[in-house]
Amino acid sequence: DSGVTQTPKHLITATGQRVTLRCSPRSGDLSVYWYQQSLDQGLQFLIQYYNGEERAKGNILERFSAQQFPDLHSELNLSSLELGDSALYFCASSVGSGYTDTQYFGPGTRLTVL
Amino acid sequence: QKEVEQDPGPLSVPEGAIVSLNCTYSNSAFQYFMWYRQYSRKGPELLMYTYSSGNKEDGRFTAQVDKSSKYISLFIRDSQPSDSATYLCAMNRPSQGNLIFGKGTKLSVKP
Repeated sequence: DSGVTQTPKHLITATGQRVTLRCSPRSGDLSVYWYQQSLDQGLQFLIQYYNGEERAKGNILERFSAQQFPDLHSELNLSSLELGDSALYFCASSVGSGYTDTQYFGPGTRLTVL
Repeated sequence: QKEVEQDPGPLSVPEGAIVSLNCTYSNSAFQYFMWYRQYSRKGPELLMYTYSSGNKEDGRFTAQVDKSSKYISLFIRDSQPSDSATYLCAMNRPSQGNLIFGKGTKLSVKP
């Protein structure tokens, strides 16, 4: 168990809908990263927050947004969902934001868009 | 060309075999190299990391980096059925916190 929690484990929804994925980092970790894992693209970085502030952005669609709250938990919001958004979404956390800080991954949320 | 290339396999070996997993990369700015292991329906977990060219050993696992060839490897000695998982290489560079992953190689170790 990495100490990173993600809810829900599974989400099934329809095209056009909006969902929110939640992540609680390990105790003491200030950075939260969101990654998307699909069969064809592999694990891809979406966005990073550090102590409540956005730190880096990857291949995140405009339909997706995220935030990190004062208690350091983070939410990833996905809207106007399309079939191609079906994937595993992982949250990872690390103590700092440096490139050598170990990232600990949560168990993921499996999103299915029908 | 993707920044990190990794053969997806699958790779099937008998128990006790030596396994070699590899990735190539194109960006010479990458300085920090990692191997993550991902069991089915779980999140990736860090197995090994290394900063420099050369070998790093941890038990049955050896990570190797050749920066001149932009090539990294993970060797597993005396492989066990419990090593059956997907192995992902990852890397990043100074000023970049997020990781760039290979697509992962699915390994199956048969008893």
